[in-house]
Amino acid sequence: AQKVTQAQTEISVVEKEDVTLDCVYETRDTTYYLFWYKQPPSGELVFLIRRNSFDEQNEISGRYSWNFQKSTSSFNFTITASQVVDSAVYFCALSGRTGNQFYFGTGTSLTVIP
Amino acid sequence: ETGVTQSPTHLIKTRGQQVTLRCSSQSGHNTVSWYQQALGQGPQFIFQYYREEENGRGNFPPRFSGLQFPNYSSELNVNALELDDSALYLCASSFWTVRGEKLFFGSGTQLSVL
Repeated sequence: AQKVTQAQTEISVVEKEDVTLDCVYETRDTTYYLFWYKQPPSGELVFLIRRNSFDEQNEISGRYSWNFQKSTSSFNFTITASQVVDSAVYFCALSGRTGNQFYFGTGTSLTVIP
Repeated sequence: ETGVTQSPTHLIKTRGQQVTLRCSSQSGHNTVSWYQQALGQGPQFIFQYYREEENGRGNFPPRFSGLQFPNYSSELNVNALELDDSALYLCASSFWTVRGEKLFFGSGTQLSVL
């Protein structure tokens, strides 16, 4: 079974604070892919990052960083020095070996207060 | 801008009616997927089309059907609408090369069933 859990439903932070969004996944596939998407009020899901199961290196892109740990089946997302424009719903997703279906978590709604 | 366009943006139907939603893929993409996103939930996979053939289906009844055309645009048809079909319907396109290809999403069609 494939499953993604985002336990944090809503998070509020004050601008310039750091915030970490948690993602825990379940899969029996040895090859799989993990994603983060951002959904602003417009509704369109915006791709942020993809990571495959063989690459556990952490990644940093500007104010964004991702921590992938297979040992704990987690793929957490940190925003450093948050900005009001970061306010959105963030989804973690899993794609298994067949590659044709994404399994999304329930999302974390992030509000950055000015 | 992902280049994926969906129409209409909003739609109101009554229970028992039929609806057709449309999607134009990003240029160069040969795969289209449809997702249903209920309020406060993550997107749920409906099905995927690759080269005009269904290439995987989620846990949705047969009254949800689709088409992909030679120009890779797509339609989602829902018959005998039920109140629970009220949701945001997202179309996503990709290029089917290797596993784990990221999806490019449109802004969705908000369907309300009364």
